[in-house]
Amino acid sequence: GDSVTQMEGPVTLSEEAFLTINCTYTATGYPSLFWYVQYPGEGLQLLLKATKADDKGSNKGFEATYRKETTSFHLEKGSVQVSDSAVYFCALGPFYGSARQLTFGSGTQLTVLP
Amino acid sequence: DTGVSQDPRHKITKRGQNVTFRCDPISEHNRLYWYRQTLGQGPEFLTYFQNEAQLEKSRLLSDRFSAERPKGSFSTLEIQRTEQGDSAMYLCASSLWSVSLHFYTFGSGTRLTVV
Repeated sequence: GDSVTQMEGPVTLSEEAFLTINCTYTATGYPSLFWYVQYPGEGLQLLLKATKADDKGSNKGFEATYRKETTSFHLEKGSVQVSDSAVYFCALGPFYGSARQLTFGSGTQLTVLP
Repeated sequence: DTGVSQDPRHKITKRGQNVTFRCDPISEHNRLYWYRQTLGQGPEFLTYFQNEAQLEKSRLLSDRFSAERPKGSFSTLEIQRTEQGDSAMYLCASSLWSVSLHFYTFGSGTRLTVV
């Protein structure tokens, strides 16, 4: 079945540091890939997505590239801010009418210190 | 429409009691999903509806759990005879299903604590 493996946290960085959160997946067919962010006490918000191999998703300075050959979708940001402190979830999901549900990784807690 | 609404935000209940949660999806969305998130883990799929039809249930959804979506609008998730292991965040999401890619919108969740 589908599965997502995320880099274990927590991750603590200083403001303006470079961020990488690793994500690899196992799935049949052609899933879509997502990064969601969860701030304390809130639900999940879609951060970025990619729907096919070599697609790059980007939003708010975050980027991730869909690498089919390495089954990876690593999240990166060049310069993190204190406001980026949250839990980040990698997920794979349906594409073009498939019955696949969203499958999430276990999440990576990011803390950015001023 | 301000998004997906869940009620209540927090629920504390004694073991053995029944609880019911409500989810109001985005009005034009025809699919509604329930997920469970335990502490330190990612959300896990429980069940989903297309309009009023419940199309899939996860193995995680034991006989004590039941979900409904009358008239294809809001949904309720009931847990009977709650156990301490049911303590979790219950997330609802909705989407507009079509032949093209669809995206989920999540609610803020209902945090259940069974004491």
